[in-house]
Amino acid sequence: AQKVTQAQTEISVVEKEDVTLDCVYETRDTTYYLFWYKQPPSGELVFLIRRNSFDEQNEISGRYSWNFQKSTSSFNFTITASQVVDSAVYFCALSEAKDDKIIFGKGTRLHILP
Amino acid sequence: DSGVTQTPKHLITATGQRVTLRCSPRSGDLSVYWYQQSLDQGLQFLIQYYNGEERAKGNILERFSAQQFPDLHSELNLSSLELGDSALYFCASSPPISGGAGTGELFFGEGSRLTVL
Repeated sequence: AQKVTQAQTEISVVEKEDVTLDCVYETRDTTYYLFWYKQPPSGELVFLIRRNSFDEQNEISGRYSWNFQKSTSSFNFTITASQVVDSAVYFCALSEAKDDKIIFGKGTRLHILP
Repeated sequence: DSGVTQTPKHLITATGQRVTLRCSPRSGDLSVYWYQQSLDQGLQFLIQYYNGEERAKGNILERFSAQQFPDLHSELNLSSLELGDSALYFCASSPPISGGAGTGELFFGEGSRLTVL
């Protein structure tokens, strides 16, 4: 069965620090998809990235970067030079190719302190 | 604005009652997902429909049911409500990926906040 674990419930860092959010997943499928979503205080969920299991290249988008390592079943998310606007709950999610179910982790609440 | 519309935004009702939450997906999206977000529970997958058919089911209670209509809007029916059903219910839609290569980005509505008193 698919499972996503975000062990960090809550993280607080001072603005401009780098921060990494951990995501560990479990699946028996060889083909799967990983996602990160952001939920700011306003409540809406915003898509950040989708990665398929055959693409282990790390991705960078501005201050955001993602490290996908199949060997450790991890898909970690790093924010460089954090800003107060990055304060939100971040969710990692997993979907297996055999169906369209997308399972979310419990999320990590990130506080960026000014 | 994600393009996904959920109504009502807020709903207060009593235990034992029944409510219906409605979701209109983005134009062109065939998939509709329902999630429940309770305090400290993250996003719990309830059910997914694709072009009118149930495609995947999560930990959805028997008191809950859903359907997707020919015009692709979806409704989530919650009955015999209990205090513990108080939560934010999200609907999301997703476009088909070319070649059937799995699921794509989910576009979430703003959610329907249900309070059961």
